[in-house]
Amino acid sequence: AIQMTQSPSSLSASVGDRVTITCRASQGIRNDLGWFQQKPGKAPKLLIYAASSLQSGVPSRFSGSGSGTDFTLTISSLQPEDFATYYCRQDYNYPRTFGQGTKVEIK
Amino acid sequence: QVQLQESGPGLLKPSQTLSLTCTVSGGSISSGDYYWSWIRQPPGKGLEWIGYIYSSGSTYYNPSLKSRLSISLDTSKNQFSLRLSSVTAADTAVYYCAGDGYDSSAYYRDYWGQGTLVTVSS
Repeated sequence: AIQMTQSPSSLSASVGDRVTITCRASQGIRNDLGWFQQKPGKAPKLLIYAASSLQSGVPSRFSGSGSGTDFTLTISSLQPEDFATYYCRQDYNYPRTFGQGTKVEIK
Repeated sequence: QVQLQESGPGLLKPSQTLSLTCTVSGGSISSGDYYWSWIRQPPGKGLEWIGYIYSSGSTYYNPSLKSRLSISLDTSKNQFSLRLSSVTAADTAVYYCAGDGYDSSAYYRDYWGQGTLVTVSS
């Protein structure tokens, strides 16, 4: 199975900060990558699919980039509602695999 | 708007079989180009993809669970189900059902149920 490694595992940031989370695949996955946001007690919510396509209804402050093995999720200006855990997931093949998560906390 | 809802027992004893059902509303489970999946999350941990059933009935199971796993489709009830046999405490998790794929307008859709906690304990 393809291994997905996210960094950092956690970060502290302030409202208005620019935040970047990275995800590395153990092999090339083209652009078959999604980013999810999960808040406590809730199901994950898709933010980005195909590495850089913004899911309908998701604020434009979220953006994704990358292809092959290295990917990035950027939040251009962190808002109070963005404090959550973020996961990447490869959709290149099955079994689909997730990164271990990045928890974004209030500084 | 498509909605998913998991249902099933919340408490099992070791060696029993976990059975969960996901009811899909707001759309037909057999139409479109959707993969209907199960994902789980142990308390305080990350996400593990369990397997999928396609609208045609074809399946793919995570090799780590394949020997104990079965996913089925009931189009008459607009439901899909998970069965995981011989459970242990390691199977304790929140179980999510989900569906993703492209709708008739070629928009990518991704739907999740709210999740249901299954605890395995003697």
